[in-house]
Amino acid sequence: EVQLLESGGGLVQPGGSLRLSCAASGFTFSSYTMSWVRQAPGKGLEWVSGLGGSGGNIHYADSVKGRFAISRDNSKNTLYLQMNSLRVEDTADYYCARDRYCSGGSCFMDYWGQGTVVAVSS
Amino acid sequence: DIQMTQSPSTLSASVGDRVTVTCRANQSISSWLAWYQQIPGKPPKLLIFKASNLESGVPSRFSGSGSGTEFTLTISSLQPDDFATYYCQQYSPYSRRTFGQGTKVEIK
Repeated sequence: EVQLLESGGGLVQPGGSLRLSCAASGFTFSSYTMSWVRQAPGKGLEWVSGLGGSGGNIHYADSVKGRFAISRDNSKNTLYLQMNSLRVEDTADYYCARDRYCSGGSCFMDYWGQGTVVAVSS
Repeated sequence: DIQMTQSPSTLSASVGDRVTVTCRANQSISSWLAWYQQIPGKPPKLLIFKASNLESGVPSRFSGSGSGTEFTLTISSLQPDDFATYYCQQYSPYSRRTFGQGTKVEIK
């Protein structure tokens, strides 16, 4: 059974940093592109970042480019999101998701974690 | 980025109703479209990919159609578990993936 378990969320002040983790199990982690998607309170879904199975082919949304960094450790079956220079508007549930199929670097997602909450506030 | 627009934003319906949600792209995305269902407090669940392909385990009352810039998600007979918010998402090659703003299906 595919499982994705996020951790690392919490309350942080504007300008601060957090590192999210996503522990994957039930599939060959290194074979899949993975993504982070967020959802602000009461709002819709926003894709944040994705990277290929070997750690390359990295993409970011414009809203986080230069502040967030995605990475993975295939030996630990874990995906990461390092979030720096956090803003109030980064407050959201952050979901880790597995990309099922990618065409030209753009993908749809077939499994999602339960999410971890990031709150940016002074 | 490709912009996706869903309509309506909210839809009121009764159990047994046929329900249709529309998703439009501001440029052609061929059939590179997925639909997700999200129940409050839960992560999104994949329903349909490549516009009309039903994900394994998803009830056959869900169907998708369309290509180019206009797409529809249809629920043939609404069930109590179907009251949720539905999102479309485009994954056109060499573009950053984007979602529609969501359509909430609520009880009439």
